[in-house]
Amino acid sequence: QQQVKQSPQSLIVQKGGISIINCAYENTAFDYFPWYQQFPGKGPALLIAIRPDVSEKKEGRFTISFNKSAKQFSLHIMDSQPGDSATYFCAASETSGSRLTFGEGTQLTVNP
Amino acid sequence: DAGITQSPRHKVTETGTPVTLRCHQTENHRYMYWYRQDPGHGLRLIHYSYGVKDTDKGEVSDGYSVSRSKTEDFLLTLESATSSQTSVYFCAISESRRPSSHQPQHFGDGTRLSIL
Repeated sequence: QQQVKQSPQSLIVQKGGISIINCAYENTAFDYFPWYQQFPGKGPALLIAIRPDVSEKKEGRFTISFNKSAKQFSLHIMDSQPGDSATYFCAASETSGSRLTFGEGTQLTVNP
Repeated sequence: DAGITQSPRHKVTETGTPVTLRCHQTENHRYMYWYRQDPGHGLRLIHYSYGVKDTDKGEVSDGYSVSRSKTEDFLLTLESATSSQTSVYFCAISESRRPSSHQPQHFGDGTRLSIL
């Protein structure tokens, strides 16, 4: 039973376009939502994270949008570049918790 | 990059054999984790450690055991490997127990394990 559902499984975007990856969660106790980026042959690395007291967080070309009432959050990559081609994972945890629950992952390909 | 070394990086073995994967860190972080990554499942926590000789189970711990005799080393053992344990295994370390802290989990580059 997946507590964090991620979509789409794969995404192909042209260079300069916007990449959008969505996640939905069930556990209302989750209150920390990070995104991880993983390149082939490497481990995941923290990209950006948000807490539910804000609806949006932006770092460079990467933005997280958060909808608490819908229990959904999404990652937007503006001006997507071929170097952004990677697998992206959303995750969630409770502030007081010690574990991360990951989504299934999205393989992003940005064509030049 | 965080100083995390996983060994071996690749291993092929047969069903029923014991397998031990090693995670070595040079960061002196207290918390260490073992995950498995499978298509369609993301990363799932197997076991974690919050200090020397202190470990706890994750969501997919059946068939796995761990040991931590030194701060820098966290071992994952498959006592009798099965084909369902074919996966990519990642070790992670953290200074903090809480992922929501400002000290995120840092991941190693993984071990690809195939069980025939």
